[in-house]
Amino acid sequence: GAGVSQSPSNKVTEKGKDVELRCDPISGHTALYWYRQRLGQGLEFLIYFQGNSAPDKSGLPSDRFSAERTGESVSTLTIQRTQQEDSAVYLCASSLAEQETQYFGPGTRLLVL
Amino acid sequence: QKEVEQDPGPLSVPEGAIVSLNCTYSNSAFQYFMWYRQYSRKGPELLMYTYSSGNKEDGRFTAQVDKSSKYISLFIRDSQPSDSATYLCAMRGSGNTPLVFGKGTRLSVIA
Repeated sequence: GAGVSQSPSNKVTEKGKDVELRCDPISGHTALYWYRQRLGQGLEFLIYFQGNSAPDKSGLPSDRFSAERTGESVSTLTIQRTQQEDSAVYLCASSLAEQETQYFGPGTRLLVL
Repeated sequence: QKEVEQDPGPLSVPEGAIVSLNCTYSNSAFQYFMWYRQYSRKGPELLMYTYSSGNKEDGRFTAQVDKSSKYISLFIRDSQPSDSATYLCAMRGSGNTPLVFGKGTRLSVIA
């Protein structure tokens, strides 16, 4: 079936603007994760959704970052008042509840000028 | 000290060579260990998954976990140019918790 999809694939924005990134998980996957990958760095956990439970926001780097998820479907990651250090690839992953395998989308490449 | 340490390379080997990729970690609670392969401008894809200590083999790939040394390895036999990618180790504790990733090792296999 279809994998995890993300949009847009690339986003260029000006410093101070808000951006919204979208993730469509694999159908039936109750867990959804957002990660950030800076150039030459590993993946940095941002936020995790599991079913109807309160999300784990422990990885969000500042209050400019927020995310929402509608039920067990689409998620959006919003970055307000973007800064140049926000430039990175933002990756979304989903998994079945209680399983370890996370399947990643292709990522959104964000460049803040 | 970072939770997971991984030499970023780059590592360049001739086709047919045996490749050894490694990660060390500091959190003794980690139980699940994975290796992801990431091609340029793509998302990571799961390559190998192991639970606790031991070896796991899948075709040309072998994953090893030594929890006593907090050390994991991925071996690639008969390496091919198509193996050229960044290899990320990842691990976590129990439950459906987020993965902690290494920085990734960039591998080039030269024909």
